[in-house]
Amino acid sequence: TQLLEQSPQFLSIQEGENLTVYCNSSSVFSSLQWYRQEPGEGPVLLVTVVTGGEVKKLKRLTFQFGDARKDSSLHITAAQPGDTGLYLCAGAGSNAGGTSYGKLTFGQGTILTVHP
Amino acid sequence: EADIYQTPRYLVIGTGKKITLECSQTMGHDKMYWYQQDPGMELHLIHYSYGVNSTEKGDLSSESTVSRIRTEHFPLTLESARPSHTSQYLCASSEFGTSGRAEGTQYFGPGTRLLVL
Repeated sequence: TQLLEQSPQFLSIQEGENLTVYCNSSSVFSSLQWYRQEPGEGPVLLVTVVTGGEVKKLKRLTFQFGDARKDSSLHITAAQPGDTGLYLCAGAGSNAGGTSYGKLTFGQGTILTVHP
Repeated sequence: EADIYQTPRYLVIGTGKKITLECSQTMGHDKMYWYQQDPGMELHLIHYSYGVNSTEKGDLSSESTVSRIRTEHFPLTLESARPSHTSQYLCASSEFGTSGRAEGTQYFGPGTRLLVL
């Protein structure tokens, strides 16, 4: 069974601060997704990282996939109140042939609150 | 923006009632999923399907059942709802690829919040 440990579970910061959320596993994933979810809504995809060592930037958000494809991080620069929400990482498994099963393993989530 | 829809968005019902949560996607995705999520918590996979007439139970045991008669439609049914079924139910879909890794990406509907009294 693949597990994804996400930390921290809760993060409360002031507007303008930087933060990093981590996802770690002992398993290798074929790809890793980051989602943001607001209360009462479904998760919205932020990014998919596929290649070990890959770094993707989305405005103030920087996503990194570990070299061994076992871990990932999300860094937010100069956080704003609009960044408040539940952030979820999810890893996709694959079989030996490289075809993705499609099932995702989700981390426990990080509840981020950015105060004005 | 993903084209995946769920109805109803909110449902309050009494114990013992039969309910069906609807999920439809217009992206032609082969794979579809149902998750259960308590507020602010992680998602638990309860059912998934790799295509028409394919359904599998997920990692979390659930008393619900699903069907996949059409590619775009993946309804979830509870024959007799109980207060323990109170939760948010999320439907998702993804493409079925044979190469590369980006096929893991799932697109989620807005969810159905169920309250069983």
